Amino acid sequence: QKEVEQNSGPLSVPEGAIASLNCTYSDRGSQSFFWYRQYSGKSPELIMFIYSNGDKEDGRFTAQLNKASQYVSLLIRDSQPSDSATYLCAVRPGAGSYQLTFGKGTKLSVIP
Amino acid sequence: GAVVSQHPSWVICKSGTSVKIECRSLDFQATTMFWYRQFPKQSLMLMATSNEGSKATYEQGVEKDKFLINHASLTLSTLTVTSAHPEDSSFYICSARDILAGSNEQFFGPGTRLTVL
Repeated sequence: QKEVEQNSGPLSVPEGAIASLNCTYSDRGSQSFFWYRQYSGKSPELIMFIYSNGDKEDGRFTAQLNKASQYVSLLIRDSQPSDSATYLCAVRPGAGSYQLTFGKGTKLSVIP
Repeated sequence: GAVVSQHPSWVICKSGTSVKIECRSLDFQATTMFWYRQFPKQSLMLMATSNEGSKATYEQGVEKDKFLINHASLTLSTLTVTSAHPEDSSFYICSARDILAGSNEQFFGPGTRLTVL
């Protein structure tokens, strides 16, 4: 059973702080990793994806991947109240499959 | 960016009736579309992979005779919930992959909220 684990939260951070969201996965052969943001009652929207070990930055967001530890994280710098949402980690298995396995999500609240 | 639409956005039906949900890729072609279901405070669970021109592939535990999937064209997949029951009430979301973009990104539709009375 391929699993993706996330702390359900809620994670509360003050406005302007760094929010750190973590995710672990069980399938060592996983190749692609995605972070989605989901507002209540809406469908997920892609924030960023990462394939290689290390950091990948996009604006205020940084994804970090450590395949040896089977760990992927998302950092949100200068958190804003509009960042308050549930953040879903998704993992794609090896080549040839485009299915995604989602974690349960971490609810983030940014306090003004 | 690629846009995926779903119709209807919400539907309320009586127990025992069937409901059809459409998923369309508006500005790209999608040989593969995915159907997910999300219960309150839960994550997205993949129900099935819809392949254009062939049978859908269902995940373990999903009844293929209850959740009928048709992917008749490169821009349209439909999910029909047959003989719906209250436990089928959920948020149904489709996603599609742009086959020409060469990326791994899936584009999600806005979702359909189904309530079965």
